[in-house]
Parts: sequence; C-alpha cells; structure tokens
Amino acid sequence: DTGVSQNPRHKITKRGQNVTFRCDPISEHNRLYWYRQTLGQGPEFLTYFQNEAQLEKSRLLSDRFSAERPKGSFSTLEIQRTEQGDSAMYLCASSHQDHVDTQYFGPGTRLTVL
Amino acid sequence: KQEVTQIPAALSVPEGENLVLNCSFTDSAIYNLQWFRQDPGKGLTSLLLIQSSQREQTSGRLNASLDKSSGRSTLYIAASQPGDSATYLCAVTSGGTYKYIFGTGTRLKVLA
Repeated sequence: DTGVSQNPRHKITKRGQNVTFRCDPISEHNRLYWYRQTLGQGPEFLTYFQNEAQLEKSRLLSDRFSAERPKGSFSTLEIQRTEQGDSAMYLCASSHQDHVDTQYFGPGTRLTVL
Repeated sequence: KQEVTQIPAALSVPEGENLVLNCSFTDSAIYNLQWFRQDPGKGLTSLLLIQSSQREQTSGRLNASLDKSSGRSTLYIAASQPGDSATYLCAVTSGGTYKYIFGTGTRLKVLA
C-alpha cells in the first residue's frame, strides 16, 4: 500500500489556461475527497465521491471546476480558464467504507496561476 | 454549520518548553477529531486521531484531549524541539459525507 498519490506535485500555469490534476487513492478505498488550501488557511472541502458517484459539491466549486472519478478508482480535478485566485494547494484524501471517518491525505498539488 | 477555531494563530517558544495548542468547534455532533502537522509547502501529516467516544490519545511527546460536550480539544507537546516547528491543524468529521472541517491552524516556531 503506497498511500494516496497526487500528480503533478507542482503546476505553474498562465491565467486562462486549463489544468488537470490526478489523484490515486489507496487501493480499495471507495470514498475520495478533494480539498483546497489557500495560503494561511486550513483546507476547505470541495467535493466527495463514493465509488464513481459525485455525491456532494461545495459552493467553492464554481462552474469552471469539474471533478470525475471514472470506474471508481482514480479521480481528476480540472480547472478551466484558470484565475489567479485559483492558486492554492489541492489536496486529495481517501477512506475505506469500513472506516469512513478516517481519511488519508495525499501530498497535494500546488497550483500557481501567473 | 460546523466551524473550527484554533488559538493561538501563531506561537514562538524556546526549545524545551511544554506547550498547549487549542481547538474549538461549534457543533458537538462529530465523529472524530484529528490533529495534523503541515510543514511549509507540504501536505498533511496525521498526528493523532480521537474518536468521539474517546477522551484522549497519546503518541510520544504528543497528547491530545477531547471534550466533545464543550466543543474543545487541546494538543499538548512536551519538551518542544526545533523540529516541531510547523503549522498544526485540527479537523473534525461531521455530517453524512464525513468530510473534514479544518481550523486555520497554529504556526509554531521552536527556537533553538
């Protein structure tokens, strides 16, 4: 078990470009969460998947953001037409159905929008 | 709506001191509370997880307590070391999705 992995670890992009991040959860973890952390703040919940179904989305997830989890395994988070305010650390976490209240976090993807 | 507050926002102490970090939450209907450590520009490292039915957890020099009825948790760090310098975050799990609600963290600096 290698833990939750996220790629890329760092992404620098120009305003207006699209970016996509990937999260690979721990094997057999059916729940997957995305959080966003801006400088000096704690992480904030963005969205949650149970298997392939996206069951909750935060109001923080504007229509420029889309998340998918095809086949209930890895997940992708895409941001279209990036803005400087999107600069943040994007964290992914997963949990097992038998221990739904314990999430394991990945190392995060740091996005910088110039 | 669950809100989590951490006090102080920043703390600077000399090496060797014992210290206490505070976390409070507004809704006592939580499943658990977890303390994390975060180094600058890095992800989260889980330190201690306290289930809602538990009162405290200990790991090495760290001890975390939970008083669910009053909506408070403390993280006690004994004999602080410069390597303890980091941001400490607490988070509670609540609601049907079990999402984490985080505080804004305490930035700790231990001076050699």
